[in-house]
Amino acid sequence: NAGVTQTPKFQVLKTGQSMTLQCAQDMNHEYMSWYRQDPGMGLRLIHYSVGAGITDQGEVPNGYNVSRSTTEDFPLRLLSAAPSQTSVYFCASRGGRGTDTQYFGPGTRLTVL
Amino acid sequence: AQSVTQLGSHVSVSEGALVLLRCNYSSSVPPYLFWYVQYPNQGLQLLLKYTSAATLVKGINGFEAEFKKSETSFHLTKPSAHMSDAAEYFCAVSTGGSYIPTFGRGTSLIVHP
Repeated sequence: NAGVTQTPKFQVLKTGQSMTLQCAQDMNHEYMSWYRQDPGMGLRLIHYSVGAGITDQGEVPNGYNVSRSTTEDFPLRLLSAAPSQTSVYFCASRGGRGTDTQYFGPGTRLTVL
Repeated sequence: AQSVTQLGSHVSVSEGALVLLRCNYSSSVPPYLFWYVQYPNQGLQLLLKYTSAATLVKGINGFEAEFKKSETSFHLTKPSAHMSDAAEYFCAVSTGGSYIPTFGRGTSLIVHP
């Protein structure tokens, strides 16, 4: 199992550009989520999904879109990048029970100029 | 509703000294509790978890945590710190009905030679 994979690992954007961060998991997990990590702020939940076709907003959803057309994939779209979106982004997946472990991808480091 | 508070954004210890990282939780139903570790430039990985079996939980790399319901705590300890333990540590809480665990803000462990 590859676990949770994310691409790209690094990305530099100019203000106003759009892009998609890719996330895939091969563990047949129901739940997937996107976090951003900023110094002193811990992990903040952006969006999450409880299954194919079902998504919901987290703590900091503005400026981001998601979709979940398959169980495996959960891409995060930045519609019009802003410097405030400079961050490290983590995708995670988890089975359907409260006791299940959250598995994280290696992260994408995004810089918006 | 559920929440987690990690006391101390940074903890500094000498190599060989006791490590104690504090975590207090709030949950209206019986919780499941997790500790994750993040090494520099990596994603988070599970250190240990409490799922209502034994209250003293042993994890990887010599870490353990004790669930204390009366104190609503789940502190992480290690008898003797090693340089390789330097990392960010996150406490998280989940319940049977929650889709996504709630994370604390993290504690950075610094180990001095």
